[in-house]
Amino acid sequence: DAKTTQPPSMDCAEGRAANLPCNHSTISGNEYVYWYRQIHSQGPQYIIHGLKNNETNEMASLIITEDRKSSTLILPHATLRDTAVYYCIVRAAIQGAQKLVFGQGTRLTINP
Amino acid sequence: GAGVSQSPSNKVTEKGKDVELRCDPISGHTALYWYRQSLGQGLEFLIYFQGNSAPDKSGLPSDRFSAERTGGSVSTLTIQRTQQEDSAVYLCASSLVIAPGANVLTFGAGSRLTVL
Repeated sequence: DAKTTQPPSMDCAEGRAANLPCNHSTISGNEYVYWYRQIHSQGPQYIIHGLKNNETNEMASLIITEDRKSSTLILPHATLRDTAVYYCIVRAAIQGAQKLVFGQGTRLTINP
Repeated sequence: GAGVSQSPSNKVTEKGKDVELRCDPISGHTALYWYRQSLGQGLEFLIYFQGNSAPDKSGLPSDRFSAERTGGSVSTLTIQRTQQEDSAVYLCASSLVIAPGANVLTFGAGSRLTVL
């Protein structure tokens, strides 16, 4: 699976949009981009995933560049409860289960 | 059940003792994963099971660690002769593999193991 690069930490003001970048310059054509987050003392939580097109759900939006070498997770109106470590993971879409390999992620702090 | 259930939530044991950690996945989920997370560290993959296929044990750190999944549902992670470096939160996840690219993991709250 392609490796990802994320900034180790970011800050965002409460109520503003939080934009978390992820570089995956070696991504292959059949690899999806997944985002998970881990709030302190909890298990990781799935946020969103995508292949080529931008995706949006009730939690966030995922913007993938046309060349697919990078993506941005957007939390449109960040709240204090969004403070967490956010993981960007790239994984091939093959039949069957696969392990997720978590990197160090981005520690996002939402400030009041 | 509604989510992935793990027990015990906390376990304190003495060095050299064996421990068993249990995971109840979401009903119907065909894949089950074990990870561990040491204090202040990232998630480390241990093992995963999918259906009747042979498990991927590539992440188990030593032969003191083993896991089984009975009847395609409940899983037990066993650590023999525990060492202090085994202290960590052990996380279980399950997923319903419905299509390539649609394999979303749901995690439990974890079992915190402390080896004295």
